[in-house]
Amino acid sequence: EIVMTQSPGTLSVSPGERATLSCRASQSVSSKLAWYQQKPGQAPRLLIYGASTRATGIPARFSGSGSGAEFTLTISSLQSEDFAVYYCQQYNNWPRTFGQGTKVEIK
Amino acid sequence: EVQLLESGGGLVQPGGSLRLSCAASGFTFSGSAMTWVRQAPGKGLESVSSISGGGETAYYADSVKGRFTNSRDNSKNTLYLQMNSLRAEDTAVYYCTKAAPYYLEYWGQGTLVTVSS
Repeated sequence: EIVMTQSPGTLSVSPGERATLSCRASQSVSSKLAWYQQKPGQAPRLLIYGASTRATGIPARFSGSGSGAEFTLTISSLQSEDFAVYYCQQYNNWPRTFGQGTKVEIK
Repeated sequence: EVQLLESGGGLVQPGGSLRLSCAASGFTFSGSAMTWVRQAPGKGLESVSSISGGGETAYYADSVKGRFTNSRDNSKNTLYLQMNSLRAEDTAVYYCTKAAPYYLEYWGQGTLVTVSS
């Protein structure tokens, strides 16, 4: 099973600032990497797939990069609605494993 | 508009059974792989089971293999998860998701399963 490790666990950011979230796989997953956003009491929402392709309706301030085993999600200028938990997921192998999540909170 | 509506959750005793359903609309259901994902209270996400569009192939997490069965009725646009021999650690919100075909493009709102005596 591929283990996905996200860092940091919690990120404190002021509105308008840039946030950088990391995700590392225990082995290469090529570009088969997705990012999801989850707000309290809601289902997760797809943000990024293929490591860098934004899903339909996702604002351009969200960007993904990386390949192989190292990935990054960047939120260029945090808006109030972006404070949430973010998960990465590899879909190169079954089981499709998730990272433990990074909580982005208001500083 | 894609809609996924889960039902069937509830309180069940350890060792009991439950069947979840997911009614799908807004897309070609028979052409889409589907995945169940669960989230224990206050915890992260876990892929439980995926099934191909035609239902011929299903994958399971080791934690549920032999106890859960993923199936679908394409004539009814409905996905099922039969859960047997339930344990306390199966307590979670269960989400039905549409795979595209591997990342999880759309999610339902989830149904809560509580395993407790």
